[in-house]
Amino acid sequence: NAGVMQNPRHLVRRRGQEARLRCSPMKGHSHVYWYRQLPEEGLKFMVYLQKENIIDESGMPKERFSAEFPKEGPSILRIQQVVRGDSAAYFCASSPTAGKAGTTYEQYFGPGTRLTVT
Amino acid sequence: ELKVEQNPLFLSMQEGKNYTIYCNYSTTSDRLYWYRQDPGKSLESLFVLLSNGAVKQEGRLMASLDTKARLSTLHITAAVHDLSATYFCAVDIKGGSEKLVFGKGTKLTVNP
Repeated sequence: NAGVMQNPRHLVRRRGQEARLRCSPMKGHSHVYWYRQLPEEGLKFMVYLQKENIIDESGMPKERFSAEFPKEGPSILRIQQVVRGDSAAYFCASSPTAGKAGTTYEQYFGPGTRLTVT
Repeated sequence: ELKVEQNPLFLSMQEGKNYTIYCNYSTTSDRLYWYRQDPGKSLESLFVLLSNGAVKQEGRLMASLDTKARLSTLHITAAVHDLSATYFCAVDIKGGSEKLVFGKGTKLTVNP
């Protein structure tokens, strides 16, 4: 069973360009989470999606950032008009369909996309 | 707002020594996770702790959870160089959206 896949692994963008980050969850997983990690920091939650639905976007900046998880295909995190402060590692995680109380809801992390804005 | 605090943030220790990393969190939760991250790599799941008093061990690492004190510990026994990494604890909000709130991480360096 392939793990969570993310691409590209490294992405360089100039200020003002758009960045598109892709995430394919593990097989059988229908929940996707995006986190951002700044250098020397922990991960910060951005958004939680299920197929065709955004469940919680409380960690997403109000402007320039958007996410989707279509019925077919990977989840996409899109950053428009990137700025230097967007440089970070972006991790995607997936988990199985929510179960009963006591289920671990364990999230499995992808390798990350390291975005550098020049 | 749920806050997760780890200490220490940096830990340098010699091989063969024991040490404990602490993880405190501010609101009720009954699921706590420990992850390991090597430089430039993704997160590797170490432990999932689901209930008060839970204790799990894997090799030289042992994790425990006290939900009443809102405290988890990661104990390292007889450290070896291969354990050098950054260790994160993470908590999810009880009854919430299942998002994880991470501590800032403890960067562990084990010296020969």
